[in-house]
Amino acid sequence: SQQGEEDPQALSIQEGENATMNCSYKTSINNLQWYRQNSGRGLVHLILIRSNEREKHSGRLRVTLDTSKKSSSLLITASRAADTASYFCATDTGGGNKLTFGTGTQLKVEL
Amino acid sequence: GAVVSQHPSRVICKSGTSVKIECRSLDFQATTMFWYRQFPKQSLMLMATSNEGSKATYEQGVEKDKFLINHASLTLSTLTVTSAHPEDSSFYICSADPPTGTPYEQYFGPGTRLTVT
Repeated sequence: SQQGEEDPQALSIQEGENATMNCSYKTSINNLQWYRQNSGRGLVHLILIRSNEREKHSGRLRVTLDTSKKSSSLLITASRAADTASYFCATDTGGGNKLTFGTGTQLKVEL
Repeated sequence: GAVVSQHPSRVICKSGTSVKIECRSLDFQATTMFWYRQFPKQSLMLMATSNEGSKATYEQGVEKDKFLINHASLTLSTLTVTSAHPEDSSFYICSADPPTGTPYEQYFGPGTRLTVT
């Protein structure tokens, strides 16, 4: 069964606004990763945050991790139409780098 | 960066036939590859872990006799869907573990869309 639940399931915003997606998981993790998937395509790795980290930045992306609440958030600032995609969190629980994916958030950024 | 390819990108087959999907790491060696399936508008579900030179490890509920995995070299893993049925229609994605010493991210292939008629 899937470990991660993401919300919202779908998010529609205007270009220039910020988008926040949340991910919750159930068991202890080594790290949590966020991936992006354009429709009908493979996944692109966005950012990885280790279990001993609380916040990480990469360009317009900001990821937080709260291991006490077993949750993470992905913030995309100053969104662009090109950010339209599905975003998935994935947890690595230490079993041979095996990832368990969340349910995903479909982000639509409108002009 | 590390590149993973899949072939074919799309395949249509008739019910009862078998289909082979290839996953290749193009510029690095991958001792471990993973196979996922994804239904429309859903998340990725791990099917199996493919280890070079040994048998694949299947997730609970995945039929090993139906989804045959072979990882014969450090750059190639194949997934064969045997006796395919319409319910096997899905998007199949592979990923490869990065080379030793690089971060933990996995490198994903572009996926294969399988349609069984």
